[in-house]
Amino acid sequence: AQSVAQPEDQVNVAEGNPLTVKCTYSVSGNPYLFWYVQYPNRGLQFLLKYITGDNLVKGSYGFEAEFNKSQTSFYLKKPSALVSDSALYFCAVRDDDYKLSFGAGTTVTVRA
Amino acid sequence: DVKVTQSSRYLVKRTGEKVFLECVQDMDHENMFWYRQDPGLGLRLIYFSYDVKMKEKGDIPEGYSVSREKKERFSLILESASTNQTSMYLCASSLGFDTQYFGPGTRLTVL
Repeated sequence: AQSVAQPEDQVNVAEGNPLTVKCTYSVSGNPYLFWYVQYPNRGLQFLLKYITGDNLVKGSYGFEAEFNKSQTSFYLKKPSALVSDSALYFCAVRDDDYKLSFGAGTTVTVRA
Repeated sequence: DVKVTQSSRYLVKRTGEKVFLECVQDMDHENMFWYRQDPGLGLRLIYFSYDVKMKEKGDIPEGYSVSREKKERFSLILESASTNQTSMYLCASSLGFDTQYFGPGTRLTVL
């Protein structure tokens, strides 16, 4: 069975500093990995995905993610965080199926 | 842009009531999904559908049913609402194995 873990419930960073959100995964086949963001009282918005190819994936709003197969990790990154990046972030994994498995989420707070 | 809409943003119902949550997508996606979101638990899949009139149970189907009579519409039904079904409900759709796109969510409170 597939699963993901987000080991940090909360991440706090100062505006302008780099932001990293951790995710580790477990799948039996090839991993298809996703990051979503959720602003208060809103649905999930797709940020980026890794299917195959380059280990560094670029996404929306200046976010990127680094895939590391040997560490079974998929870290979300942003070089310079903004206050408006404060939100709840979800990592998700899919293997050879339609279904996504989501992590519990990481709350990011960017202070001015 | 993909658009997924849900019939209500907020809903308050009483224990024992039958509740319908509606979801509509406008991108001709075959697959549609219903999740519930609870703090600390992430999103859990209730049901999904990969074609009209087809449905499959997700991880937590108990107490729920679904209906998909048209490709663009996927309904979640709570036959007899209970307080432990108070939650945020999210609908999503996808084309094949590709990215799932989510609606704005319905926050359901069962009193």
